[in-house]
Amino acid sequence: QKEVEQNSGPLSVPEGAIASLNCTYSDRGSQSFFWYRQYSGKSPELIMSIYSNGDKEDGRFTAQLNKASQYVSLLIRDSQPSDSATYLCARERDSSYKLIFGSGTRLLVRP
Amino acid sequence: ETGVTQSPTHLIKTRGQQVTLRCSSQSGHNTVSWYQQALGQGPQFIFQYYREEENGRGNFPPRFSGLQFPNYSSELNVNALELDDSALYLCASTDRASTDTQYFGPGTRLTVL
Repeated sequence: QKEVEQNSGPLSVPEGAIASLNCTYSDRGSQSFFWYRQYSGKSPELIMSIYSNGDKEDGRFTAQLNKASQYVSLLIRDSQPSDSATYLCARERDSSYKLIFGSGTRLLVRP
Repeated sequence: ETGVTQSPTHLIKTRGQQVTLRCSSQSGHNTVSWYQQALGQGPQFIFQYYREEENGRGNFPPRFSGLQFPNYSSELNVNALELDDSALYLCASTDRASTDTQYFGPGTRLTVL
């Protein structure tokens, strides 16, 4: 079992729709979770961090964390073609500032 | 822009050669981590430096080594290059005193022929 699992996609949504990206993890002790966006050929860019169960909203983005079920998700409202990218889910290993990444989900937003 | 810089941008080497990649962390950031990202995969943790000392290592062989300098910049050295070392190498910096967010540099694309 991978430590952080994501569906590779692609997830295709029409412009203006809600995109829902999901991630599961295996270590129940994980405390810190991150969503990064990566455009092709570029480096990862932090979108959101989340530490507590529940929802965290930032503009069009909402991260959701459920530690009991060991999943974290990212919702993107009013999806735009510029949101087309690979979204990487990561957890921090043992509060060590070391990140364990999933393999990413590719999102395509159709105009 | 994150303030983290890396050089070179691209590099082509042949099997068996050695390579050094460089990273300048964001001002004030005392922790630098290196990651390897193969095509179609997520970044994999190589190792981390904190105040010039190695502070944890991922599942990479000893031919991957590093340094951190007093100004917190860092180098990643890879000896005896193999074809599978072809990847995007990313460094990320953070200031432990204030955040656990890591900021990535633009990466170095290494191709091993």
